[in-house]
Amino acid sequence: GESVGLHLPTLSVQEGDNSIINCAYSNSASDYFIWYKQESGKGPQFIIDIRSNMDKRQGQRVTVLLNKTVKHLSLQIAATQPGDSAVYFCAETLLSGYSTLTFGKGTMLLVSP
Amino acid sequence: SAVISQKPSRDICQRGTSLTIQCQVDSQVTMMFWYRQQPGQSLTLIATANQGSEATYESGFVIDKFPISRPNLTFSTLTVSNMSPEDSSIYLCSVEGQQETQYFGPGTRLLVL
Repeated sequence: GESVGLHLPTLSVQEGDNSIINCAYSNSASDYFIWYKQESGKGPQFIIDIRSNMDKRQGQRVTVLLNKTVKHLSLQIAATQPGDSAVYFCAETLLSGYSTLTFGKGTMLLVSP
Repeated sequence: SAVISQKPSRDICQRGTSLTIQCQVDSQVTMMFWYRQQPGQSLTLIATANQGSEATYESGFVIDKFPISRPNLTFSTLTVSNMSPEDSSIYLCSVEGQQETQYFGPGTRLLVL
């Protein structure tokens, strides 16, 4: 669930499980969404993106789902590995005109061997 | 994606002093961005830096506190001025790639005593 301050929402899974990380975005007009992975001591790393004219996009072991009706984005990671342990952020923006990325609060994924 | 480096990677500073953070990209980019990430928090945009024009600051951030330079298409600096312990954060630069995707540097970890 949601938390404030230094306590990120945390998802703990076992190696080999499938993980689902959720994000509620804020602007119904946003038409481009990105998932980032941030490992400890590193900058955010691009994982996958999706435009609003799509409901689903697949990458290697990752799938992003977009539900515009309820402004919800999810990241599914198949066969989760210990190396997937990180904080995951969703980000939203408008492709037209000048618009900046707005980041969600983040979810920490902990994968146990 | 572009390769982005930042200097310093980390620093410990005394209150009242200033620190300049450098961001170098291995290719020419139009837009560069500076973010702050407070401990356990998400990313907050400080400003957008375009070459040849003044930086555009987000609400809550001012040029006197966070002066930015953008002398060419591969380099930018962010200065954190007159630092206080509240400025202890990770400072990240990013560049815009294809579409509105942003790619991030490794970050500068700042501790102000």
